[in-house]
Amino acid sequence: QKEVEQDPGPLSVPEGAIVSLNCTYSNSAFQYFMWYRQYSRKGPELLMYTYSSGNKEDGRFTAQVDKSSKYISLFIRDSQPSDSATYLCAMSPQGGSEKLVFGKGTKLTVNP
Amino acid sequence: DVKVTQSSRYLVKRTGEKVFLECVQDMDHENMFWYRQDPGLGLRLIYFSYDVKMKEKGDIPEGYSVSREKKERFSLILESASTNQTSMYLCASSRWGGPQETQYFGPGTRLLVL
Repeated sequence: QKEVEQDPGPLSVPEGAIVSLNCTYSNSAFQYFMWYRQYSRKGPELLMYTYSSGNKEDGRFTAQVDKSSKYISLFIRDSQPSDSATYLCAMSPQGGSEKLVFGKGTKLTVNP
Repeated sequence: DVKVTQSSRYLVKRTGEKVFLECVQDMDHENMFWYRQDPGLGLRLIYFSYDVKMKEKGDIPEGYSVSREKKERFSLILESASTNQTSMYLCASSRWGGPQETQYFGPGTRLLVL
């Protein structure tokens, strides 16, 4: 079993849809969870950062962590064409500045 | 704003050539990382460094070496490039400190080895 599993998609939705992106993991030592967004031909940029279990909201984005199920999610409300990108989950036992384990990324297209 | 720059956006090299990829960050970060990104495989860590002249192997160090002579600069070296090293190479940096610190990525270098 891979340490981090992420459905690569691709995922195509109409503008305004609610998008759900997910990752599962196997290492119970992971405590810090991140979502990065990567536009085509660019480097990843941090979108959301959560510690342990719970929810975190930032505008149209909500990150959820369920450590008991080893499952993390990113929800995008009222999706926009500008949200079209690849979304990468990442996680670490010790924090975001340390060695991260990444999912393979999910490619999202939001159609106008 | 944190800025991580990489010396080239696109690079074409021949098999057997020695290749240098340069990364510079301007925020006095202690930690620097080199990843490669391939379709279907995601980001994989090649090497990282927590301080000048220090280096640690990541998950796929074979065929690569690194150099960190100055705090702001981290170089990835392909001693003898091979076609299976054709990839997108991403550099990242982060501050050493609390768990809330995160990694900042450069724009990437697309390397094609012929």
